[in-house]
Amino acid sequence: SQQGEEDPQALSIQEGENATMNCSYKTSINNLQWYRQNSGRGLVHLILIRSNEREKHSGRLRVTLDTSKKSSSLLITASRAADTASYFCATPYNFNKFYFGSGTKLNVKP
Amino acid sequence: DTEVTQTPKHLVMGMTNKKSLKCEQHMGHRAMYWYKQKAKKPPELMFVYSYEKLSINESVPSRFSPECPNSSLLNLHLHALQPEDSALYLCASSQTEGGTDTQYFGPGTRLTVL
Repeated sequence: SQQGEEDPQALSIQEGENATMNCSYKTSINNLQWYRQNSGRGLVHLILIRSNEREKHSGRLRVTLDTSKKSSSLLITASRAADTASYFCATPYNFNKFYFGSGTKLNVKP
Repeated sequence: DTEVTQTPKHLVMGMTNKKSLKCEQHMGHRAMYWYKQKAKKPPELMFVYSYEKLSINESVPSRFSPECPNSSLLNLHLHALQPEDSALYLCASSQTEGGTDTQYFGPGTRLTVL
């Protein structure tokens, strides 16, 4: 299967804490993307990291990529209740397809 | 305008009905996608259109029929669906077909097949 795996499947934290979720994938990639999905809605692009980058920041988001281990992590710092959502990593394959990981469901308690 | 719109938001149909889902974007994107998402699962790619031509069909049953009338519009025609086709159907678009581009998603159509 091309599918990436994410862990944990679910994560529950208090507001203000940091949340870390991990993604593993199986094939060589030229980039990896992270998306957020609020319950039952469309996905929102968060960040793209290229295969020659090791770390990238965007606001409270920090993404790392380790191509030797075929893994990536997404760190959300100082979480807020509004960060409650499912988070998916996505990797392109066969030029024009995206494969989404299994997702991490994050619950941030106020 | 970075919005992808989808109509309807919700759709309930019987197994003998014919219905259509509509997707629209005005970002000048040349690639458009249909995904199917079951509850608690990631989106699964169904179709890819590039420059208004069908580029990928991920072995989707013929009861799903995509159509791209122009570069801004994408339709998904539904006929003789099964209850297991009930899902959230997501449309997305990107600048080009290549996997280096960000995909912009619509809010989805929640489909229930009775």
